[in-house]
Amino acid sequence: DTAVSQTPKYLVTQMGNDKSIKCEQNLGHDTMYWYKQDSKKFLKIMFSYNNKELIINETVPNRFSPKSPDKAHLNLHINSLELGDSAVYFCASGQGARTGELFFGEGSRLTVL
Amino acid sequence: GENVEQHPSTLSVQEGDSAVIKCTYSDSASNYFPWYKQELGKRPQLIIDIRSNVGEKKDQRIAVTLNKTAKHFSLHITETQPEDSAVYFCAANGNNRLAFGKGNQVVVIP
Repeated sequence: DTAVSQTPKYLVTQMGNDKSIKCEQNLGHDTMYWYKQDSKKFLKIMFSYNNKELIINETVPNRFSPKSPDKAHLNLHINSLELGDSAVYFCASGQGARTGELFFGEGSRLTVL
Repeated sequence: GENVEQHPSTLSVQEGDSAVIKCTYSDSASNYFPWYKQELGKRPQLIIDIRSNVGEKKDQRIAVTLNKTAKHFSLHITETQPEDSAVYFCAANGNNRLAFGKGNQVVVIP
């Protein structure tokens, strides 16, 4: 009965590979997000979807492509992985920035070798 | 867009003492200010939040104060315990998102 779940929890891969992270929320929220947390712990927003519609694309390279098949799912696909993509990626959901709390998933630690 | 700054970046306190973390924000239209706690290797979790129509909110050992005129808000932790050691993030809403500060590492020394 996890509220926001993302898989996989750990990803280790070589430069140039393509990988995906999946996220699902069972809270009935309309809005979902992807955040990147680098080694300095800064939480940087990447994307936001509201009811399957892209709301925020925070100047993320085109190699990152989010997909939201329905409002309970937001997946992240990354092409041609680079060393600088190594980070923890957090999925989150909420009812929109003006209304309240974000619920985060457990995070997916991506290591690019 | 909203810009949120946190000070200090690292704070060490003796167990039992109080800890205070301050944040400033730039967008006067922001009206929601949460604080998140992130323990090592875990997800950020909301610990307390405040809306712009109140100046202070308390929940047991933690409290948040908001000064809308000066555009700053603070987290106060009293009687700190080792389990309070974590990274604390403040945030403010604006431009369809929560903008997070860079985080404060709080270390409680037993």
